[in-house]
Amino acid sequence: DQQVKQNSPSLSVQEGRISILNCDYTNSMFDYFLWYKKYPAEGPTFLISISSIKDKNEDGRFTVFLNKSAKHLSLHIVPSQPGDSAVYFCAASGYQGGSEKLVFGKGTKLTVNP
Amino acid sequence: KAGVTQTPRYLIKTRGQQVTLSCSPISGHRSVSWYQQTPGQGLQFLFEYFSETQRNKGNFPGRFSGRQFSNSRSEMNVSTLELGDSALYLCASRSGAGTEAFFGQGTRLTVV
Repeated sequence: DQQVKQNSPSLSVQEGRISILNCDYTNSMFDYFLWYKKYPAEGPTFLISISSIKDKNEDGRFTVFLNKSAKHLSLHIVPSQPGDSAVYFCAASGYQGGSEKLVFGKGTKLTVNP
Repeated sequence: KAGVTQTPRYLIKTRGQQVTLSCSPISGHRSVSWYQQTPGQGLQFLFEYFSETQRNKGNFPGRFSGRQFSNSRSEMNVSTLELGDSALYLCASRSGAGTEAFFGQGTRLTVV
């Protein structure tokens, strides 16, 4: 049962344009959401997060939007740069079965073309 | 502040052997989680340890086990290695619930 879904395995955009990465979740107990960026042969690095009490969080070129009613979040990167090319993982955190869990999606590979 | 340290970075083992991977979390972090990454499968959760106790476990066979020491360092062991165990194994530490996880560089395990 995949609780965090990233339905697009890959995304390709032109440098300077907007990149929009999407993520859906199924469990309404999730209350904290995160995005990670991963380069090959390295561990994921934390990018940005959002609490369920907010619907938007911005950090420089990165903005995360949360739509709780749709159980959907998205990461916007504006403007996209070639260095943004990486795999992006969405993650959700919340209490399930008495313990707090952090669940990751399968990732979306973003390619930003010069 | 030092980050999450995983050793070794690379490992080649033969089918049937066993392997132990090590993870030192960020100082002060008591939660350590392990993930397996294979192409197309994303980050698959193995288990989480908190204060030397396994708090959560993913859907992996019993060949995969772990432990955490009193200094929060953690080890992961895989016995009777199979070719399908070849993957990048990632360790992450957290300061607590509702906080971001910080990952190590990973251990690339190749089973031949």
